[in-house]
Amino acid sequence: SAVISQKPSRDICQRGTSLTIQCQVDSQVTMMFWYRQQPGQSLTLIATANQGSEATYESGFVIDKFPISRPNLTFSTLTVSNMSPEDSSIYLCSVDGVRGNTDTQYFGPGTRLTVL
Amino acid sequence: GNSVTQMEGPVTLSEEAFLTINCTYTATGYPSLFWYVQYPGEGLQLLLKATKADDKGSNKGFEATYRKETTSFHLEKGSVQVSDSAVYFCALTDYNQGGKLIFGQGTELSVKP
Repeated sequence: SAVISQKPSRDICQRGTSLTIQCQVDSQVTMMFWYRQQPGQSLTLIATANQGSEATYESGFVIDKFPISRPNLTFSTLTVSNMSPEDSSIYLCSVDGVRGNTDTQYFGPGTRLTVL
Repeated sequence: GNSVTQMEGPVTLSEEAFLTINCTYTATGYPSLFWYVQYPGEGLQLLLKATKADDKGSNKGFEATYRKETTSFHLEKGSVQVSDSAVYFCALTDYNQGGKLIFGQGTELSVKP
């Protein structure tokens, strides 16, 4: 597997502000993904973070609300923009292609976001 | 499209009881199947996986067999412990959509001493 860290681990934010979440992996990976887990719910994919190009967003998620960067093979950021209480969720990054082994995603510890 | 259905929770068991959490899937092609576990306040951990029909994934006493004929991947453990209390997610890889994971709704397990 891989060691995946996320910053911050949790935050409480005010409505209308933005938060950038960082995801760092200890080795180069092929794929990086961002998921949202709303309270008591399952995980929903927000987007696939592509290295050196624009992220690929799932239906219902847009770049203006969730801009994503992936400057290299070990790091990605997700920004939650113009937040509302409905954005209160756990945001998780995941990676695939650890040490060339594809077909298994490993998850970071998550960022717990509360919007007031 | 592809989907995963899990038995509803919460499931409450006594320590050392036998556990089964049902998972069935709908998919085109031959997806890989996974069980992830989420302990309270933590992220998801990969518990086990199976990549083709009749494969059995196992880890920490948990087992699941990829049954293509019944499109199922039920999770079992012979004797649960209090420390197994968590939410369990069944998932498949959707190769038609860039390899993203499709998750079931999750099943909360509570084990009482």
